[in-house]
Amino acid sequence: DGGITQSPKYLFRKEGQNVTLSCEQNLNHDAMYWYRQDPGQGLRLIYYSQIVNDFQKGDIAEGYSVSREKKESFPLTVTSAQKNPTAFYLCASSTGTGPYEQYFGPGTRLTVT
Amino acid sequence: GIQVEQSPPDLILQEGANSTLRCNFSDSVNNLQWFHQNPWGQLINLFYIPSGTKQNGRLSATTVATERYSLLYISSSQTTDSGVYFCAVSNAGGTSYGKLTFGQGTILTVHP
Repeated sequence: DGGITQSPKYLFRKEGQNVTLSCEQNLNHDAMYWYRQDPGQGLRLIYYSQIVNDFQKGDIAEGYSVSREKKESFPLTVTSAQKNPTAFYLCASSTGTGPYEQYFGPGTRLTVT
Repeated sequence: GIQVEQSPPDLILQEGANSTLRCNFSDSVNNLQWFHQNPWGQLINLFYIPSGTKQNGRLSATTVATERYSLLYISSSQTTDSGVYFCAVSNAGGTSYGKLTFGQGTILTVHP
């Protein structure tokens, strides 16, 4: 089955620790995205990548880092510099050429205490 | 950047009722998507509709790009339709490649 997988589903960390969220897709999509959702809010873009070894900051990139070493994988690291890391994180992907319809993974709920 | 406004913010229906959700956006777009977020947080693609009209079962959507709005119609609502409905838009190309800007969502509750 083609799709996007994110792991883990739930993640708990202590303040001051870095944590890496996994995102893998087997849709052969060129572009991948990370969004953050806070309670009662819409999604906001953290980082996106159009091709391997290239990525750009989104609207709320501070305190986050990414890598894109393989087409299928786009891991997100939440660093200790992120002031409010507790949130629901969603990964998405789309083709590299139009239409740019995005498909989403199931998400990871991160709680930092 | 593009601004997206959804209305109404909350909607409560009895099973079997019809509803219309609205999405207004502030600039021209070449991608508009409607999503349903289920209670587990999964975003389910409903429509990719930068312009025109599409139908899928009890759901249909219309985007009037020249007037910068889109409508999502739900007919004969069921309790499983409950959840949050998001409209998201993008003006892909250049430095804004594929970036989706989301509205705040409409929370739909359908009572049996």
